[in-house]
Amino acid sequence: NAGVTQTPKFRVLKTGQSMTLLCAQDMNHEYMYWYRQDPGMGLRLIHYSVGEGTTAKGEVPDGYNVSRLKKQNFLLGLESAAPSQTSVYFCASRWLNYGYTFGSGTRLTVV
Amino acid sequence: QQQVKQSPQSLIVQKGGISIINCAYENTAFDYFPWYQQFPGKGPALLIAIRPDVSEKKEGRFTISFNKSAKQFSLHIMDSQPGDSATYFCAAKEGGGGNKLTFGTGTQLKVEL
Repeated sequence: NAGVTQTPKFRVLKTGQSMTLLCAQDMNHEYMYWYRQDPGMGLRLIHYSVGEGTTAKGEVPDGYNVSRLKKQNFLLGLESAAPSQTSVYFCASRWLNYGYTFGSGTRLTVV
Repeated sequence: QQQVKQSPQSLIVQKGGISIINCAYENTAFDYFPWYQQFPGKGPALLIAIRPDVSEKKEGRFTISFNKSAKQFSLHIMDSQPGDSATYFCAAKEGGGGNKLTFGTGTQLKVEL
C-alpha cells in the first residue's frame, strides 16, 4: 500500500546512545517532515526537507540531525540521546498544500 | 510560543450531540487552516481544511467556521458518534518555503453512548 513507513515502531535507548529513525515514502512527494508529539504540546516540527539533498530546521531542531540522500527516504538521527527526547516521532510527506500523509509513528523512550 | 492555541484539551459529548473545538492564531501569514484526526496508535490524518477567505466549509458532519477578524476558527462535529472518538488537531500552514504546518495542542474527544 502507498504511504509513509517508519521504522522502528518502538525503541528504548540509554542516555548517550545514538540511533537513526527511518522514514520511507513511495508517493514521489518532494516535501517531507519530522515531528515529535508530546502530551499537551501537540506536534512540533523538528526538521523538514523540500527535496532530495535539502534539509532545514523546524521549531525544535536541537539534538537532532537529518539527511535526505534519496527522495523517498528521510532519516532522523539522535547523536546522544537524552531523556527529554522521549517522545513519539512522526514522519510525514506533503501531497497537498496543507495535506500531509503521516506514518504510524516511532515511540522512543530514553532512560 | 504557541502560535496556534487550541481548546478544550478534552471533551466528552453524548452520542448525537455537537462537538465543538476552538482554535486561535496570531500569524496573519497563515494561508490554510486544516484539521487533523488521530486515532490511538496511528498518525494524524487530514480531516477538512479551509482558506482564510472563506467563512465556513462543510463536509458531511464536519464543519469549519472561520472568523478572520478575530483570528479564530473552530471545528463542529454534528451528530457525534462513538467512532468520532479521537484526538483532533487544528493546524495552520505558512505561505512560502516549506509549507510547514503549525499544530495546536490537540483535543481528546470522547463520544459516549
